[in-house]
Order: sequence, then structure tokens, then C-alpha cells
Amino acid sequence: GENVEQHPSTLSVQEGDSAVIKCTYSDSASNYFPWYKQELGKGPQLIIDIRSNVGEKKDQRIAVTLNKTAKHFSLHITETQPEDSAVYFCAASRFVNTGNQFYFGTGTSLTVIP
Amino acid sequence: DGGITQSPKYLFRKEGQNVTLSCEQNLNHDAMYWYRQDPGQGLRLIYYSQIVNDFQKGDIAEGYSVSREKKESFPLTVTSAQKNPTAFYLCASRGRDDPREQYFGPGTRLTVT
Repeated sequence: GENVEQHPSTLSVQEGDSAVIKCTYSDSASNYFPWYKQELGKGPQLIIDIRSNVGEKKDQRIAVTLNKTAKHFSLHITETQPEDSAVYFCAASRFVNTGNQFYFGTGTSLTVIP
Repeated sequence: DGGITQSPKYLFRKEGQNVTLSCEQNLNHDAMYWYRQDPGQGLRLIYYSQIVNDFQKGDIAEGYSVSREKKESFPLTVTSAQKNPTAFYLCASRGRDDPREQYFGPGTRLTVT
């Protein structure tokens, strides 16, 4: 099966700085890579995703890059704000139909210091 | 107001008792999932269902059971056979319109003593 590793497990940045979270995956058949943000006591919410036919995707202050050859993808948050503080999860999936499995990383706890 | 609801938010049980966690969605989604979340670990898949009356085991199904009698509902029973049931449980669903996105419920924190 797929194995997703995520680093770092904790990350503290000053407000306004950038934050980068990295994930690697093992199954070359995985073709869909979402990122989720989870606030305390709540369920994860999708913030950005990327498919394997794209190398980079950006949505305002958030961007995701994918290197299929190296099997790694990264989340970049620029101009961080205190409300960005949360736990972030990456995931990998073989996107075939609505029933396929997602494999999650172990999460990164991001703290943005005002 | 569409979405996924899980109840209750907090649940306490004595060891040896079965307990059922509720998950309901009004998004008309076909697929539903149950995950377990422990501190320092990612979400681990317990069971998933692609269609009514059908479900498959995930990576950590032992000690759990599910049913999918209605499209809207996917209850999870944590049985006394589950050795370490205390955890945060998340339900999710996915639809055909945008099958990439999983929508998560708010979760149920189960504590067994």
C-alpha cells in the first residue's frame, strides 16, 4: 500500500514569514495529492490539492508543488498570519472513483507567532 | 444547511461496552468513510462504503463494525474487542460531482475507561 511521510511534525514561524511543509509518498500510481487544515476540535478541511499532471498550483497565499520523479510534494504558505495556526495534513490517493482510499501524513502543527 | 454531522461530540464509556458513533450527511454523497485520529499520527482508515449495503475494511478495521442501510447514514460501532478505543473519530463523505474532495464531519472524541 501507499506510505506517506510528512515533515516537520511541528513548525513555528513569525507572522509574515513563509512556512513550508514537505511530504513524500511511495506508490507511483498515486495521482491526487490534497492538503488539509485542521483546527482544534474540528474535522480537517481541504485547502488546496494537486493532480499528478500538474507541477505547481497556487491559491492566494497557498501553493503546492509536486515532483513526481522524486515522489514528493510540498505546501507553501506565504505571509503567514496567526489564523494560519493549525495542524496541516498531506494525503495521497489513486484517484479512480469515489471509493478509493486516501493515505494521510502524520500532520504538522504550525504555530504563527504574532 | 448541507454537511456532515457527527454525534455526540464527546462520548464516555466503560471498558467492555460496545458504543455506536453516529454519522449523517445530507450532501447526497455515495461514498462515506470512518477514520481514527490519535495524537502524533495521521488519519487511519477504519472502514469505507462506496454504496448502500456495501462496505470495505480499511487498515485498522479490527474491533470495529459498520452498516450502510441508508445513503445518508454510516454508523460506526466500537466493540469491546477493540483494544485501545480511546481516540478522535472522524467521518467523511465524497460525491460524484467533485469526487476529489472529502468532506469531514466535526468528529467525536471517545474516551473509554
